[in-house]
Amino acid sequence: GAVVSQHPSWVICKSGTSVKIECRSLDFQATTMFWYRQFPKQSLMLMATSNEGSKATYEQGVEKDKFLINHASLTLSTLTVTSAHPEDSSFYICSARDTWGRVSEQYFGPGTRLTVT
Amino acid sequence: GESVGLHLPTLSVQEGDNSIINCAYSNSASDYFIWYKQESGKGPQFIIDIRSNMDKRQGQRVTVLLNKTVKHLSLQIAATQPGDSAVYFCAEMAQGGKLIFGQGTELSVKP
Repeated sequence: GAVVSQHPSWVICKSGTSVKIECRSLDFQATTMFWYRQFPKQSLMLMATSNEGSKATYEQGVEKDKFLINHASLTLSTLTVTSAHPEDSSFYICSARDTWGRVSEQYFGPGTRLTVT
Repeated sequence: GESVGLHLPTLSVQEGDNSIINCAYSNSASDYFIWYKQESGKGPQFIIDIRSNMDKRQGQRVTVLLNKTVKHLSLQIAATQPGDSAVYFCAEMAQGGKLIFGQGTELSVKP
């Protein structure tokens, strides 16, 4: 089956620093990827839609200057949390849609646990 | 809109029993509805999906029912096993492939 990887799987950073999270589709092309955030015991909240070669589309309430998304190739999207604060601590999950697959097919990465101290 | 709960409802079942997990969705224009399973510390795992023009779809040990009249979705798991213990989310697919997740239900299977 289709595999999506994320790196790192967990990261601890100090307040005010930036952290980059990578999302890769390993065996398929993904023109579109999505970034979600999940707080403990809560649902996944969509942050933004990442499209290869174009600007990301952010959901209402998500600061685009704080959560920088780059989708430079058909297999890689990155999310950079800039000037991180403790309230940014969360589980960040990406998903990728197979360019040539069914509309409903979306594959999720294993998630990245971010802790800001 | 997006659904984010402050806590997860829980469902506790005995091993071997059938489980039914329910979900309400908001957008009657959604084309696809999908069930995901999420184990602790991991990303969601696809279970089964159903298109809006269907009422029922069956997979291996799972059945999804869609009631568009009341905007209700359910996941039935037959002969529930300890390995089924996880959080289950329904999601509706909005325009552009965006997934809007439901609140989630934590399934606990007692051996």
